[in-house]
Amino acid sequence: DVKVTQSSRYLVKRTGEKVFLECVQDMDHENMFWYRQDPGLGLRLIYFSYDVKMKEKGDIPEGYSVSREKKERFSLILESASTNQTSMYLCASSPPTAWDGYTFGSGTRLTVV
Amino acid sequence: AQSVTQLGSHVSVSEGALVLLRCNYSSSVPPYLFWYVQYPNQGLQLLLKYTTGATLVKGINGFEAEFKKSETSFHLTKPSAHMSDAAEYFCAVNGNDYKLSFGAGTTVTVRA
Repeated sequence: DVKVTQSSRYLVKRTGEKVFLECVQDMDHENMFWYRQDPGLGLRLIYFSYDVKMKEKGDIPEGYSVSREKKERFSLILESASTNQTSMYLCASSPPTAWDGYTFGSGTRLTVV
Repeated sequence: AQSVTQLGSHVSVSEGALVLLRCNYSSSVPPYLFWYVQYPNQGLQLLLKYTTGATLVKGINGFEAEFKKSETSFHLTKPSAHMSDAAEYFCAVNGNDYKLSFGAGTTVTVRA
């Protein structure tokens, strides 16, 4: 069974900390995505990557960066965590054209205190 | 350009009643359409998808959806709701590239 694995289900961090959210997929997919999900706002795209070391900003990249050194791994970095980054973070992957949709990870619920 | 509108952010149904979730899309090319389900504190799981061919698509857990090009709709139905259907449901469209556009989601509550 194909999988996208997010390293943590729940995470609590302090304001100002540097936070790493890790995502690994085993499907050899070219595309990987990071979304955040907040009540009433739906899914908002933070960053996506279409190849190793390639990335593009999504709709809400401010306060975030990403890293993709290997095809299977896509990391989301909160450079200096703030309370307004408390959210559910979802990673997804797909082949280049996404005609079969995305495969999502289980999500990481991050709380910044 | 493509977009999705889900009508109704909350739907409440009685156990055993019909579940109907509405989705309308816009796309400049023939669309690929998807429904995802999200249970509390989990990721999104693919329920069903329409790519080409038969317009009535069957998915997991007894759900189905019908693609109606003339109405630009892809409504999701289940004849008889079960308590385990309580979740949030997302409709999504893919035009002709890598990017899915998601609707805002519909939360389903099932009353005993």
